[in-house]
Amino acid sequence: EVQLLESGGGLVQPGGSLRLSCAASGFTFSNYAMSWVRQAPGKGLEWVSAVSGSGGRTYYADSVKGRFTISRDNSKNTLYVQMNSLRAEDTAVYYCAKGVEMSTSTFDYWGQGTLVTVSS
Amino acid sequence: QFVLTQSPSASASLGASVKLTCTLSSGHSSNAIAWHQQQPEKGPRYLMRLNSDGSHTKGDGIPDRFSGSRSGAERYLTISSLQSEDEADYYCQTWGTGIVAFGGGTKLTVL
Repeated sequence: EVQLLESGGGLVQPGGSLRLSCAASGFTFSNYAMSWVRQAPGKGLEWVSAVSGSGGRTYYADSVKGRFTISRDNSKNTLYVQMNSLRAEDTAVYYCAKGVEMSTSTFDYWGQGTLVTVSS
Repeated sequence: QFVLTQSPSASASLGASVKLTCTLSSGHSSNAIAWHQQQPEKGPRYLMRLNSDGSHTKGDGIPDRFSGSRSGAERYLTISSLQSEDEADYYCQTWGTGIVAFGGGTKLTVL
């Protein structure tokens, strides 16, 4: 059974940093791209970032480019996103999502999400 | 780059059928898309991938009541024999090399 478990969310001040993790199980982690997708309160889904199965290629939405860094540790079956220079508009539930291929594609499994609140 | 357009809301009666639409932006009418369901207070759930040839690949445990189709730049999700648990937000999604895009979502109300 595929499981994705996010952690690391919380309250952070504007300009601060936070690192989210997503522990994966139930599939061969290194064979699939992984993404972070967020959802601001009352809003729709917004893709944030993706990393290829090997970790060699990373991609970002314009809204987070230069501030967020996605990475993965295939030996630990864990996906990360380091979020710096956080803004109020980064407040959202952050989901990790499993791709169906080695590169960007659709997502066939989602985590339950972790809430990030950026506020003073 | 990609723009996917969905109606903000839809409604249908219990036991009836409903067809949700997602329109791809100009120049991307042959893209594959996926449909995801998000029930209230829950994370998204993958429903299916709808390929450019009209075939679709469903997620684990997705009932036969859910089906996908296409016509030109439009992609459809049809839900038949509506049940109360189908009341949810439905998002279409597409992708390219290094980019992923979602539609704005359709909120389905089951009457």
